[in-house]
Amino acid sequence: EIVMTQSLATLSVSPGERATLSCRASQTVRSNLAWYQQKPGQAPRLFIYGASTRATGIPARFSGSGSGTEFTLTISSLQSEDFAVYYCQQYNNWPLTFGGGTKVEIK
Amino acid sequence: EVQLVESGGGLIQPGGSLRLSCAASGFSISSNYMNWVRQAPGKGPQWVSVLYSNGETYYADSVKGRFTISRDNSKNTMYLQLNSLRVDDTAVYYCARGYRAVAEAYWYFDLWGRGTLVTVSS
Repeated sequence: EIVMTQSLATLSVSPGERATLSCRASQTVRSNLAWYQQKPGQAPRLFIYGASTRATGIPARFSGSGSGTEFTLTISSLQSEDFAVYYCQQYNNWPLTFGGGTKVEIK
Repeated sequence: EVQLVESGGGLIQPGGSLRLSCAASGFSISSNYMNWVRQAPGKGPQWVSVLYSNGETYYADSVKGRFTISRDNSKNTMYLQLNSLRVDDTAVYYCARGYRAVAEAYWYFDLWGRGTLVTVSS
């Protein structure tokens, strides 16, 4: 099983600042990596797939990069609605696995 | 509107059984990779089971032999039968649609329901 590690449990950022979240896979997942946003009491929402492609309706301030084992989600200028938990998920190998999440909180 | 709505969760004693439902609207579950994903309190999501369009089913090792996924095409509804429940099955259970690109073997989740809470406790 591929283990997805999001090393930062919490990231404190001021509104308008840049946030960089990381996700590491225990073995290569090529570019088969998705990012989800989850707000309290809500289901996860797809934000990024294919490591760098934004899902429908996702603002351009969100960008994904990386391939192989190292991935990054960047939020260029944090807005109030962006404070949430973000999870990565690999879909290159069976079983499908998620990271433990990074909570982006207001500094 | 394209959406998924889960129901059937609740408080159940260890060893008990429960059936979860996932009603879909706006698309056909029989044409998609339909999954159950659970999330224990304070944890990341965990994939549980999938039902392919051709009827094939697969399960996470932790639930194999205890959980059964199925669907009723006439109701456009998917189910998850949970048997021999354990305390560590406590979680919010989401149904989620998988999207698989033509060139890829597996999928990400492009549509999620709001989830139903299953609490296993004596």
